[in-house]
Amino acid sequence: SQQGEEDPQALSIQEGENATMNCSYKTSINNLQWYRQNSGRGLVHLILIRSNEREKHSGRLRVTLDTSKKSSSLLITASRAADTASYFCATHSSGNTPLVFGKGTRLSVIA
Amino acid sequence: ETGVTQSPTHLIKTRGQQVTLRCSSQSGHNTVSWYQQALGQGPQFIFQYYREEENGRGNFPPRFSGLQFPNYSSELNVNALELDDSALYLCASSADRASNYGYTFGSGTRLTVV
Repeated sequence: SQQGEEDPQALSIQEGENATMNCSYKTSINNLQWYRQNSGRGLVHLILIRSNEREKHSGRLRVTLDTSKKSSSLLITASRAADTASYFCATHSSGNTPLVFGKGTRLSVIA
Repeated sequence: ETGVTQSPTHLIKTRGQQVTLRCSSQSGHNTVSWYQQALGQGPQFIFQYYREEENGRGNFPPRFSGLQFPNYSSELNVNALELDDSALYLCASSADRASNYGYTFGSGTRLTVV
């Protein structure tokens, strides 16, 4: 079953613009993670934010977490054509439970 | 430090056959998780192994089974293949069961059942 749900399902922007993707989830979490997937291959871990954190940065990535609204957002600044990929949020609920993924947002960055 | 390696990369099987997919985990990782990803969907959790023991299972029938070996590599076996089993199968390793550090994924095995 899917825990997270990304919004929008697809996003198309021009190179240099910022891209924002949102993730909503249903149950309380220990942490939330964002992954990127190029062309149906393996997923690449981008960033992890713990439930007691509100914001994290990594290079051009900024992630926010609002546990009261059970939502997170991923911002990619100054996007590049190479950022074209699918982006997934994944939640870890508690204990030794596995990561549960959403359906993803397909991002297209047009040069 | 090596990453996660999956084999084979592509596979075509006939309905009713059996298949074994293999995964070598990243050095230092003791946990392996398997996911099934249908086209256009997010990865669905199949099961996880921690130090050779199954540590959780998703909503998949018993014909999906697995193993983890002492070197923490892993196999996914699927019996009596069905057309709906066609998907990308992803293996991920992690340093702990609790997903505190993120997963390292392999490139996946694309299984087509005809």
